[in-house]
Amino acid sequence: SQQGEEDPQALSIQEGENATMNCSYKTSINNLQWYRQNSGRGLVHLILIRSNEREKHSGRLRVTLDTSKKSSSLLITASRAADTASYFCATVQGAQKLVFGQGTRLTINP
Amino acid sequence: KAGVTQTPRYLIKTRGQQVTLSCSPISGHRSVSWYQQTPGQGLQFLFEYFSETQRNKGNFPGRFSGRQFSNSRSEMNVSTLELGDSALYLCASSLDVTDTQYFGPGTRLTVL
Repeated sequence: SQQGEEDPQALSIQEGENATMNCSYKTSINNLQWYRQNSGRGLVHLILIRSNEREKHSGRLRVTLDTSKKSSSLLITASRAADTASYFCATVQGAQKLVFGQGTRLTINP
Repeated sequence: KAGVTQTPRYLIKTRGQQVTLSCSPISGHRSVSWYQQTPGQGLQFLFEYFSETQRNKGNFPGRFSGRQFSNSRSEMNVSTLELGDSALYLCASSLDVTDTQYFGPGTRLTVL
């Protein structure tokens, strides 16, 4: 089963609003990564946050990590129509593999 | 730097056939991972190669295999195709699997 679980599965908001997506995982991690996927295309890396970091920013993106709760959140501020996509969190556990969650489908309505 | 390339982009096969997909990683990247994405199962890890060695394998039948060449290019092979193998197959490269992964555009496989 997927170790990363995103919540909600789908989110629809108005352009200009903020979007928050959450990710929970089950085991200890080295880092947690967030990716975006536009329909039917490859994934694009957004942010990598290491297990000893609590918050990270990149432009309109803010990621937090709470290792005690085994959870992370991705905040997109001032959303735009181009932000419409699926967002995935992924964790690297001890073994050499990146495990993805099921993703949150974000729709930005104009 | 050129990105990750995958060939072919689209493929249509019939049940029972076999298929080979190719992935060329970013120059300097030695780790190549393969994923299968379907609407029902989401993104599932197939296997990861590093310096021509398979380091990890996902929970897929033996019909799914792969290899990596000395130039880090990788191929995956699916034999005796089934309808359920229809999916988007994604390849990603990185310096090592714990680092940022860079994905190719994927190969859309349709099995009829």
